[in-house]
Amino acid sequence: QKEVEQDPGPLSVPEGAIVSLNCTYSNSAFQYFMWYRQYSRKGPELLMYTYSSGNKEDGRFTAQVDKSSKYISLFIRDSQPSDSATYLCAIGTGTASKLTFGTGTRLQVTL
Amino acid sequence: DAGITQSPRHKVTETGTPVTLRCHQTENHRYMYWYRQDPGHGLRLIHYSYGVKDTDKGEVSDGYSVSRSKTEDFLLTLESATSSQTSVYFCATMDSNYGYTFGSGTRLTVV
Repeated sequence: QKEVEQDPGPLSVPEGAIVSLNCTYSNSAFQYFMWYRQYSRKGPELLMYTYSSGNKEDGRFTAQVDKSSKYISLFIRDSQPSDSATYLCAIGTGTASKLTFGTGTRLQVTL
Repeated sequence: DAGITQSPRHKVTETGTPVTLRCHQTENHRYMYWYRQDPGHGLRLIHYSYGVKDTDKGEVSDGYSVSRSKTEDFLLTLESATSSQTSVYFCATMDSNYGYTFGSGTRLTVV
């Protein structure tokens, strides 16, 4: 079993939809939870970061962590074509000096 | 990607030849990383460094070596390239808030 599981998609939604992206993890020692967005042929860029259970909101993006279920989510409200990218979850322990990444979910937002 | 430069951006090499990829950062971050990204596997850690001359292995380190003689430079060497090392290689740094910043990647093809 991988330490971090993520549905690879692709996920296709119409513009304006609410998108839910999810990861599960197996190691209860994980403390840092991040979401990265990666456009085609580019490096990943940090979207959201949290180290506690609960919700964290930033504009149209909400990151949710449920440590009891070992489940993290990223919600995108009012999705836009510019949100079309691959979204990777990343989880770390201790000082987060070594992150474990999910395989990424490819999202396509259509007009 | 501000602060991180990877070179070369693209390289084609023959099986059995040595290859060195370079990562240069301008932000004076202590931690630097080399990842490879492959379809179905996501980002996998090859090696990382936590200071000048301080390096450690990641999950897929076989066939790779690294060196860090200066804070700003982190080199990844494939001692004898194989076709299984065809991949996209990303360098990353970690900032004081545990966020990772990635370079634009090096697309390596071993023929």
